[in-house]
Amino acid sequence: EADIYQTPRYLVIGTGKKITLECSQTMGHDKMYWYQQDPGMELHLIHYSYGVNSTEKGDLSSESTVSRIRTEHFPLTLESARPSHTSQYLCASTEGPYNEQFFGPGTRLTVL
Amino acid sequence: KNEVEQSPQNLTAQEGEFITINCSYSVGISALHWLQQHPGGGIVSLFMLSSGKKKHGRLIATINIQEKHSSLHITASHPRDSAVYICAVDDSWGKLQFGAGTQVVVTP
Repeated sequence: EADIYQTPRYLVIGTGKKITLECSQTMGHDKMYWYQQDPGMELHLIHYSYGVNSTEKGDLSSESTVSRIRTEHFPLTLESARPSHTSQYLCASTEGPYNEQFFGPGTRLTVL
Repeated sequence: KNEVEQSPQNLTAQEGEFITINCSYSVGISALHWLQQHPGGGIVSLFMLSSGKKKHGRLIATINIQEKHSSLHITASHPRDSAVYICAVDDSWGKLQFGAGTQVVVTP
């Protein structure tokens, strides 16, 4: 079983609120990723990190930001949530490019 | 246009039937992943392939690098195999590009 955790699992908030989605892994993986998945649609990479103090934007433009101060922790922040941010956000980590990715359970975000 | 194409989009099978899902891609890759997503949304990695064939229980995955094509087979399908199966290609830095997924329903 993968040791990668996300909180909260579900979040319903109003427009304009600041939110942080948490992702933690206990496997010591350097590479971590955030994916966004709209209902019934494919996943898209929005952020990734190859180690502490390394963060990059992914293929899909996102208004969210991320930080990587500790190896095990990769939080995602939305400064001002909007209904268009309603989606599922999945965090993943891997040991390296030729290894499987481990996915967290996801956070379902609804912005009213 | 998505660089990772899966077919079929939806598939219904009776318990015990052999199931095949196909994945074609148009970019250079270091590896291809097959993932399973259950209704709750969680994703599990089934296979990671860079060549040849892998087998795990009733699941078999193959890849042809020259033809840029991979298949996932489920032998003796069971209702618990009902899920969305997703193909994803790896650009060698772990950044995945995903197919749209195949919704599989196996009826008793």
